[in-house]
Amino acid sequence: DGGITQSPKYLFRKEGQNVTLSCEQNLNHDAMYWYRQDPGQGLRLIYYSQIVNDFQKGDIAEGYSVSREKKESFPLTVTSAQKNPTAFYLCASSRQGLYQPQHFGDGTRLSIL
Amino acid sequence: DQQVKQNSPSLSVQEGRISILNCDYTNSMFDYFLWYKKYPAEGPTFLISISSIKDKNEDGRFTVFLNKSAKHLSLHIVPSQPGDSAVYFCAASAGSNFGNEKLTFGTGTRLTIIP
Repeated sequence: DGGITQSPKYLFRKEGQNVTLSCEQNLNHDAMYWYRQDPGQGLRLIYYSQIVNDFQKGDIAEGYSVSREKKESFPLTVTSAQKNPTAFYLCASSRQGLYQPQHFGDGTRLSIL
Repeated sequence: DQQVKQNSPSLSVQEGRISILNCDYTNSMFDYFLWYKKYPAEGPTFLISISSIKDKNEDGRFTVFLNKSAKHLSLHIVPSQPGDSAVYFCAASAGSNFGNEKLTFGTGTRLTIIP
């Protein structure tokens, strides 16, 4: 069954630590995305990647980093520079081209200890 | 600047009746619009979409209407079922050389279906 897998579902971080969120897809999609959701708000785009070894900043990239070494994988690192990292993080993927919907994983909830 | 707005935070509808969720946008460059359904602690599930060349798209119980002149779209669910209770997000994007890579989301409407 094809889909997007995010792990772990819950993650706790101490102040000053970097933490990496995993996102894997077996849909053979070219494009992948990271969003952040805060209570009462819509999703906001952090980073996206249209092809392997290339990625672009979204609206709220500060304090985050990504890599895209494989088509299937798009990990997100939340660095200590991110001042308010507690949020629900969602990964998505889509086919390349116009009018292609993005499909989402089930998310990772990150909390600061 | 909220480019995609869902002005109703919540909506309650009797089971079997029609649910109508509304969304307004301000960016005239948007040409692709999507609706997602989300349960707590899960990722959004894609429901239905529409491109700006159309004014209506149907998929089973779900129909999306687009009024470009009013910059307004709506999602109709008929008949509403208890399993439809969830938060619904409207999203929009503007095409580019690569595709519709950046989605802008509304803040969501919580739909509750009353049995």
